[in-house]
Amino acid sequence: DVVMTQSPLSLPVTLGQSASISCRSSQSLVRSDGNTYLSWFQQRPGQSPRRLISKVSNRDSGVPDRFSGSGSGTDFTLKISRVEAADVGVYYCMQGTQWPATFGQGTKLEIK
Amino acid sequence: EVQLVESGGGLVKPGGSLRLSCAASRFILSDAWTGWVRQTPGKGLEWVGRIKAKSDGGATEIPAPVKDRFTISRDDLKNTLYLQMNSLETEDTAVYYCATTGGGLWGQGTLVTVSS
Repeated sequence: DVVMTQSPLSLPVTLGQSASISCRSSQSLVRSDGNTYLSWFQQRPGQSPRRLISKVSNRDSGVPDRFSGSGSGTDFTLKISRVEAADVGVYYCMQGTQWPATFGQGTKLEIK
Repeated sequence: EVQLVESGGGLVKPGGSLRLSCAASRFILSDAWTGWVRQTPGKGLEWVGRIKAKSDGGATEIPAPVKDRFTISRDDLKNTLYLQMNSLETEDTAVYYCATTGGGLWGQGTLVTVSS
């Protein structure tokens, strides 16, 4: 299975500042169709995961443009600009290139 | 509103069985690739099965760790997804979510506790 490694695992951020989360995969996530199936999810306390970004950088409907995804191959980043209190939660990356799809361990974002 | 609603979780003894259901509203399950994800404090998020869209043949795939014990199925008339879990172990204790395999739609989850 593809191993997804996130860092940091804990991310204290000051309101209004930016935050970045790294996600590395144990092998390239480029599929034979040319697409890279790397998604980012937010899980607020007590809620189900919610997808923010698919295929590296495509924001889902209703996701603020403060959230952006980038990367290629095995190295990916989620950036959150101007962090708000509503952003508190755990963030996960997931690869869907190879079955079974696999998740990173999660990064817990908290407000300083 | 488009939604997935899971049911069937609860307390079961080791070695027992449980069937989870996932009913869809305003969403046709057979048009999508869907599956089940479980979440535990220790192992995080983990896919435990998926079923392809009807147009893609409807085949099911179960990952190796649960392959001999879990079965996924779908009733297209009832627009409902199922997860049959047999020979349950304490390590299967988790919140189980149904979701589209791309992760764009999730249910609210149902808690399964395996304990004597």
